[in-house]
Amino acid sequence: GAGVSQTPSNKVTEKGKYVELRCDPISGHTALYWYRQSLGQGPEFLIYFQGTGAADDSGLPNDRFFAVRPEGSVSTLKIQRTERGDSAMYLCASSQQGYTGELFFGEGSRLTVL
Amino acid sequence: AQSVTQLDSHVSVSEGTPVLLRCNYSSSYSPSLFWYVQHPNKGLQLLLKYTSAATLVKGINGFEAEFKKSETSFHLTKPSAHMSDAAEYFCVVSEPHSGGYNKLIFGAGTRLAVHP
Repeated sequence: GAGVSQTPSNKVTEKGKYVELRCDPISGHTALYWYRQSLGQGPEFLIYFQGTGAADDSGLPNDRFFAVRPEGSVSTLKIQRTERGDSAMYLCASSQQGYTGELFFGEGSRLTVL
Repeated sequence: AQSVTQLDSHVSVSEGTPVLLRCNYSSSYSPSLFWYVQHPNKGLQLLLKYTSAATLVKGINGFEAEFKKSETSFHLTKPSAHMSDAAEYFCVVSEPHSGGYNKLIFGAGTRLAVHP
């Protein structure tokens, strides 16, 4: 597709369950970012990939959160043992080069943990 | 560390009147600054960016912003609001990192309402 695609757009799960959120970046974009946006807040950085490797995962809140990008394209954000506080919009963005600062965002995956 | 402060959480204007969304930044470097817009159920979209060239930056949809180093401000303006401008606006500063990438630091956002 032309833009960044995120699936699912909405995910409702129960506390303690495992969740995967998928991001398909713009073709050819080597840089990929995950952000989390809580209600009424601006997006907060989670992790940055350059190619297949996580160059900066300093924003992941704890070890229940993990992300992969095995082939340098699609990325999956994985959340184990979900908690109600994990409820948020999870945003993925990509760019051609990591340092331009201009990111192209997907529409997000809204996660609700009951 | 870089940060941005958006001075208003909500701004309400009438259609056809000017828009002013205020942003102050804190940066120990010469910053790169951005404004992004988020319409309901849409992805964040870049409005404009400042990267140390002209201090008055023009963006899409008639928006512009002026970088004022002496005031550490990067306010967003538009001469005449349109109903379609109603959205959430984020002021963003770019934080450089070793490894050659910039981490974007977002403000808390300003919700713009436009009334007929």
